[in-house]
Amino acid sequence: NAGVTQTPKFQVLKTGQSMTLQCAQDMNHEYMSWYRQDPGMGLRLIHYSVGAGITDQGEVPNGYNVSRSTTEDFPLRLLSAAPSQTSVYFCASSYAAGGRTDTQYFGPGTRLTVL
Amino acid sequence: KNQVEQSPQSLIILEGKNCTLQCNYTVSPFSNLRWYKQDTGRGPVSLTIMTFSENTKSNGRYTATLDADTKQSSLHITASQLSDSASYICVVGMNTGFQKLVFGTGTRLLVSP
Repeated sequence: NAGVTQTPKFQVLKTGQSMTLQCAQDMNHEYMSWYRQDPGMGLRLIHYSVGAGITDQGEVPNGYNVSRSTTEDFPLRLLSAAPSQTSVYFCASSYAAGGRTDTQYFGPGTRLTVL
Repeated sequence: KNQVEQSPQSLIILEGKNCTLQCNYTVSPFSNLRWYKQDTGRGPVSLTIMTFSENTKSNGRYTATLDADTKQSSLHITASQLSDSASYICVVGMNTGFQKLVFGTGTRLLVSP
């Protein structure tokens, strides 16, 4: 049981490049989400999904795209990278979206630098 | 505005000592309060989750308290160990149809030998 996995661990991009951050979970969780973590700020929700085929925007969705074709995978796409997207990105999953006591499991993170 | 504020920002304690971290929130509608531990370079890991009706919850040497009237929570660490060095993040869940989580910025704890 690997939990939540993310690849790559580190990535450097040039402004304007695109890339996909991968996230997978093997716990059969319905709810998956992407956060970014910046110095001095709490984690902020980018996009989330309550099940395969269903996605929605979070607090800071601009410049990012997601899709959820399977329960296991939830990739995050940067369409045209900007220096403001330099951050650490975390993927998370939980059993359900509405459970008040559902534990949320986080991946190890991807550290992205945009030059 | 929905906010979670934590204090202190950082803390250094000697190994074996106890410490208490504070969390104040202005989040509505309140659903639950969570404490996470985040080691450097890793993702957050859940320590405790408390709903409105719970005012204390323990996980080993970690004890969280919740006062929903004053909108305050604390995380008490007993007999600290070097491995407790990490950031501790307070998170408040809102029941908005799905779980919307509001994250604090964390308290960075360093346990010194």
